[in-house]
Parts: sequence; structure tokens; C-alpha cells
Amino acid sequence: DAGITQSPRHKVTETGTPVTLRCHQTENHRYMYWYRQDPGHGLRLIHYSYGVKDTDKGEVSDGYSVSRSKTEDFLLTLESATSSQTSVYFCAISESISPGAQETQYFGPGTRLLVL
Amino acid sequence: AQSVAQPEDQVNVAEGNPLTVKCTYSVSGNPYLFWYVQYPNRGLQFLLKYITGDNLVKGSYGFEAEFNKSQTSFHLKKPSALVSDSALYFCAVRDSAGNMLTFGGGTRLMVKP
Repeated sequence: DAGITQSPRHKVTETGTPVTLRCHQTENHRYMYWYRQDPGHGLRLIHYSYGVKDTDKGEVSDGYSVSRSKTEDFLLTLESATSSQTSVYFCAISESISPGAQETQYFGPGTRLLVL
Repeated sequence: AQSVAQPEDQVNVAEGNPLTVKCTYSVSGNPYLFWYVQYPNRGLQFLLKYITGDNLVKGSYGFEAEFNKSQTSFHLKKPSALVSDSALYFCAVRDSAGNMLTFGGGTRLMVKP
């Protein structure tokens, strides 16, 4: 899985509680992404980062925040988890030099989150 | 806005037969097209991509894909399917102006012995 780890791999939590998922890479890639995977929707981008402290919103960012204080770590936080956030979350990395670059994204193993 | 359609939720193929998994896309400008495969309880693995040049792209595990600009398609193919090819396949597109990758809904490939 291209030097990407995600923690935890599985989590069960209750509605209204905060949850933080961690993505760690050993590739020193500039770009990092958080996706969620739901049946019939493929993967949808939540947030991405193009450098330390540089982040931007994706397609489904409501209810999520991110932080990147080090090149190797990208955190996804659900401030107050809801049942609609039950999903499988994937982190991805790429080494893009400029917008439009052709770099491939490589994915971590995923975190399965269940919000009761 | 860019989009990807994978019209088949599931494709069933007998082992040894050729397989095709369909993908059509919509994007402004030149498309960058990708295929990924996902095995159970795993992340997505990169198979192949089209950036420019030859319309037939060869990738991992004997897979190839054909880019057809007039039909805005990027179908995944393999001449002889294996049972171990059974997995979930995703097509994705990125436009030339940014880094946002848009995925299709996925197609489950079932290869039966």
C-alpha cells in the first residue's frame, strides 16, 4: 500500500462524539487526500492537502475538518459524528508538482468507521 | 463538472474468456484517466492510466484499456480472465486544470471457474 498507513483500521463510536482518523506516509509526497467510500458512490473526496498547513475542501467536506502539521501526517476529524458518516475512509497520496500534473494517487488500506 | 459513469454494477465472466469493464467520462479539456482495483478489505490499487499518446494502454496483471475520444470511453479489458481477477474496479478521471480525481461508482467483476 505504497508506504501509507491509516489508524485506527476499525472504529465504532456513538453519535455526537468527536473522531480523529490518522494517515501517515513514508514517501515524502506533497499531496495527501481523504476520501470516503460508500456503496454506489465510488470514492468521494472530502479534503486534500497540498503542503504543510495547506488544505482545501473536496466534494463532501461538510462535517469534516483536516490538519497537516507535518509532511507525513494528515488528520481527518469528525467534530461530532453522525450516522451518515458511517463509511470506509481512505487516505491517498501523490507527488504532484503543479496543478494538472499527471501523478498517480496511491491509497492506504482504509479505516472502517461505524457511528451508532 | 467532470463525471465518470460505470454503467454495469456487476460483470460476470467465465474463466479464460475475455472481459470488458466499461467506463465513460465527461470532462472539460484533456482527460487523464485511471483504473483502480479493490480487493476485499483492501485499499485501491493502481492498474493503469492514460495521459496522452497511444490509445491502448497496458497495465498491471495483464489488463489494458482503450481510450476512445469520440465516444468519451476508457474501457478496461483483459484477453483471458482469471478467478483471481474477481474484485471491484473503479474508473477515475482528472481534468488537466487541477488535482481533483473523480471516481465512478465501481463495477464488481465476478470470474467463475
